[in-house]
Amino acid sequence: EPEVTQTPSHQVTQMGQEVILRCVPISNHLYFYWYRQILGQKVEFLVSFYNNEISEKSEIFDDQFSVERPDGSNFTLKIRSTKLEDSAMYFCASSATRVAETQYFGPGTRLLVL
Amino acid sequence: AQTVTQSQPEMSVQEAETVTLSCTYDTSESNYYLFWYKQPPSRQMILVIRQEAYKQQNATENRFSVNFQKAAKSFSLKISDSQLGDTAMYFCAFMKLRGGSQGNLIFGKGTKLSVKP
Repeated sequence: EPEVTQTPSHQVTQMGQEVILRCVPISNHLYFYWYRQILGQKVEFLVSFYNNEISEKSEIFDDQFSVERPDGSNFTLKIRSTKLEDSAMYFCASSATRVAETQYFGPGTRLLVL
Repeated sequence: AQTVTQSQPEMSVQEAETVTLSCTYDTSESNYYLFWYKQPPSRQMILVIRQEAYKQQNATENRFSVNFQKAAKSFSLKISDSQLGDTAMYFCAFMKLRGGSQGNLIFGKGTKLSVKP
């Protein structure tokens, strides 16, 4: 069965450094998402992406964040200058359509900012 | 704004018994989708079951069923004949179908379910 994959599984970085989290969505899916979960808190929506542009973004997704689909398979989340409060689990998801379609999640990347 | 509340941070159940996980939500929308996702210790979040708000019939998927009470804004998950493999974090999620934030999932904080042998 097709799966969403994410790399790396864990990332440790120093405050102020740039990180890129990578995701490979399911191949025939068209909508892509990033969510994050700070330890002990809810899973929160960050951004949705379709047709090579951002469809929607939350208040969390400020100028320090960007997303890109650099080729036909990868979907990346970049944090330009990490802060301590960016430490979280980051989940990528994809769906075939946008509304009401099941979103398939990757296993997540645990980001720790020191 | 929509909110999802799971009031049980942790629950446990004996193998083969039945357990019900609670979820309530708040919305002014009349049409929406509700989901239960399961996240086992291996971390991949997978869909357990979903319910369309316009459907009166409760969704079922093998041993998993929901009790959807639209007026009460309640969406509980019942797991029958619990198995050790059901041990996981369970997230309730809401999806708006129109307007801003459509298609994005709004999650509760999760319920950690332990199935004991």
